[in-house]
Amino acid sequence: GAVVSQHPSRVICKSGTSVKIECRSLDFQATTMFWYRQFPKKSLMLMATSNEGSKATYEQGVEKDKFLINHASLTLSTLTVTSAHPEDSSFYICSARSLDSYLNQPQHFGDGTRLSIL
Amino acid sequence: SQQGEEDPQALSIQEGENATMNCSYKTSINNLQWYRQNSGRGLVHLILIRSNEREKHSGRLRVTLDTSKKSSSLLITASRAADTASYFCATDATGGGNKLTFGTGTQLKVEL
Repeated sequence: GAVVSQHPSRVICKSGTSVKIECRSLDFQATTMFWYRQFPKKSLMLMATSNEGSKATYEQGVEKDKFLINHASLTLSTLTVTSAHPEDSSFYICSARSLDSYLNQPQHFGDGTRLSIL
Repeated sequence: SQQGEEDPQALSIQEGENATMNCSYKTSINNLQWYRQNSGRGLVHLILIRSNEREKHSGRLRVTLDTSKKSSSLLITASRAADTASYFCATDATGGGNKLTFGTGTQLKVEL
C-alpha cells in the first residue's frame, strides 16, 4: 500500500520549454504533497508544500512563478517548470502524506523525475 | 531551514560487516526518519523513531535517538551488497507542519 507514482521518470528538452511533472497517490488520498529538488550526490531540498484545494507554500528562495504547483485533487499534484533553462536541470522528487495520517507517519515518495535541459 | 548533518559522508565495508551512520540535527522534533535511496531512484522509508523513543529495531536495522544531543544513529548489521545505497535521516520538526528536513546523507558501499 501507500504507492506514489511520479511521471515522467526522465525528460530531456530544449531551453525555454515548460515541463510538467505529475505526482499521484495510487491507493490513498493525499491532502498534502511535497516537492523536492536534489542535485547529484546531494541531499533533498524541499521546494514547496502542496495542499489540495489551496495555494502551495514555497520555501525561501524558490520562485513560485518559475515552479508552478497545482494540487487539484486528493490524488494528484503537478509541478510545472516554466521556461526551463539548463540551471533547472535536476532530479525532482515528490512525496505524499495520507489524508488520515497525523503525527509520526512517514511520507511516501515517488521515484523521481530526472530533468535535463539542453 | 538548515539541514542536519550525517557522518560519515561515505562508507565502504565488506559484506557481513556492520555499518553505522550518524545524524545530527538542530531543532526540537516530533520524530526522526531514516530513508534509503538507490542511485537515481526515489526514497524508501526504513524506520521512524518518535521523540519519546530511544531505540527501535526492524530486521537488520537498529536506530537510536538521543534528543538531548540531537543525534541519531542507524546500524545495519550483517550488511549485504544489496544494501549499497545512500542513506538519509530526516527530521519532522515540532510545529513544522510535517515538513521533513533531510540530512546530508551517507553513501554506503558494501563490497563482496
